Amino acid sequence: GQNIDQPTEMTATEGAIVQINCTYQTSGFNGLFWYQQHAGEAPTFLSYNVLDGLEEKGRFSSFLSRSKGYSYLLLKELQMKDSASYLCAVRDDPPSKRDDKIIFGKGTRLHILP
Amino acid sequence: EAEVAQSPRYKITEKSQAVAFWCDPISGHATLYWYRQILGQGPELLVQFQDESVVDDSQLPKDRFSAERLKGVDSTLKIQPAELGDSAMYLCASSLYIENRATEAFFGQGTRLTVV
Repeated sequence: GQNIDQPTEMTATEGAIVQINCTYQTSGFNGLFWYQQHAGEAPTFLSYNVLDGLEEKGRFSSFLSRSKGYSYLLLKELQMKDSASYLCAVRDDPPSKRDDKIIFGKGTRLHILP
Repeated sequence: EAEVAQSPRYKITEKSQAVAFWCDPISGHATLYWYRQILGQGPELLVQFQDESVVDDSQLPKDRFSAERLKGVDSTLKIQPAELGDSAMYLCASSLYIENRATEAFFGQGTRLTVV
């Protein structure tokens, strides 16, 4: 089966650092995505990890450990505009290559306090 | 910048009525997804197309939902009859298909459906 877990809500202070964790269990695996979604808007792509390690992109970094089924999104120098939901999504890659699909977790709602 | 186009943005319909949503993916994107997102939840995959073929519709309630992508470009998702529990955001996304893998998905603005 498929299972993607992330915390429901987190709160952090403007200027601080926050880490949002994601654990997953899928029948196949070929990459993990992080998306940002502001209320009432569509998700926007943040990062993609397919190999173990840390990928840095400006204030945002994403880490993956395939052996542990674990990823995190790290947000530095938090700004008020970072208040949003952050979605962890896994590409589930079964043997039939045409059937790979992107499965989303429930999302973590991040609140930034001034 | 290329975008996924969806219409309408908002739809209010009475239960038992039929409703349809339209999506035009980014040009050249072979993979097209329809997701349903209930408030406070993550997107749930309803159907996935590769060109004009359905490759996954295991979570699509087929007694009332249908989806098609006849020419492998734009797509329509239909609900008939609509039920109160169908109220949600319906998101369309598309991605390239390179070396037998879909790349990251790009989302349209969604259609917010309210069934009354």
